[in-house]
Amino acid sequence: KAGVTQTPRYLIKTRGQQVTLSCSPISGHRSVSWYQQTPGQGFQFLFEYFSETQRNKGNFPGRFSGRQFSNSRSEMNVSTLELGDSALYLCASSFGRGDYEQYFGPGTRLTVT
Amino acid sequence: DQQVKQNSPSLSVQEGRISILNCDYTNSMFDYFLWYKKYPAEGPTFLISISSIKDKNEDGRFTVFLNKSAKHLSLHIVPSQPGDSAVYFCAASAYVNAGKSTFGDGTTLTVKP
Repeated sequence: KAGVTQTPRYLIKTRGQQVTLSCSPISGHRSVSWYQQTPGQGFQFLFEYFSETQRNKGNFPGRFSGRQFSNSRSEMNVSTLELGDSALYLCASSFGRGDYEQYFGPGTRLTVT
Repeated sequence: DQQVKQNSPSLSVQEGRISILNCDYTNSMFDYFLWYKKYPAEGPTFLISISSIKDKNEDGRFTVFLNKSAKHLSLHIVPSQPGDSAVYFCAASAYVNAGKSTFGDGTTLTVKP
């Protein structure tokens, strides 16, 4: 079974631009969560989607948004990029509600200049 | 307020010996605890977990112990192998937010041949 895939793997953007990151979960998994990982802040939870509905949201500004499609694929969007948004963005999938174990993709390394 | 803490940033052990990684948490709502392993340029990989109704869970060379009264858990690796060298993250979840894990900052384990 294929693992979680994320595209693109690397991205360089300029301040003020926007970016869209994509995540394809493991086949059959319906829950997708997004995390931001930085050296200073560690893992920060962004949001979780289940069956196209946002179930949880972390403490991030409204510039960060996401969505999930009917095939469980998910995208996250960051508008008006700031230097501090430079991070590794990780997507994780799990089978469904109440599943604690998450399967992570390799991440998208975003650099904002 | 960091709810999950791994106080040792690094640990070095000799091949064949035991590795003990520690984790403390503060939130009493957490009822499920997980350990993930991460290699460079890869996403975290689920390793082992434990429910709050148990105090021990084993999977091959890996054992996780949970002390709820002390809000402390530990991961034991016996015997340690060079391939175990990686960053280990402790994570905690609450049932109501199963898709949202709170992570520690990680412990870098180096197993020397």
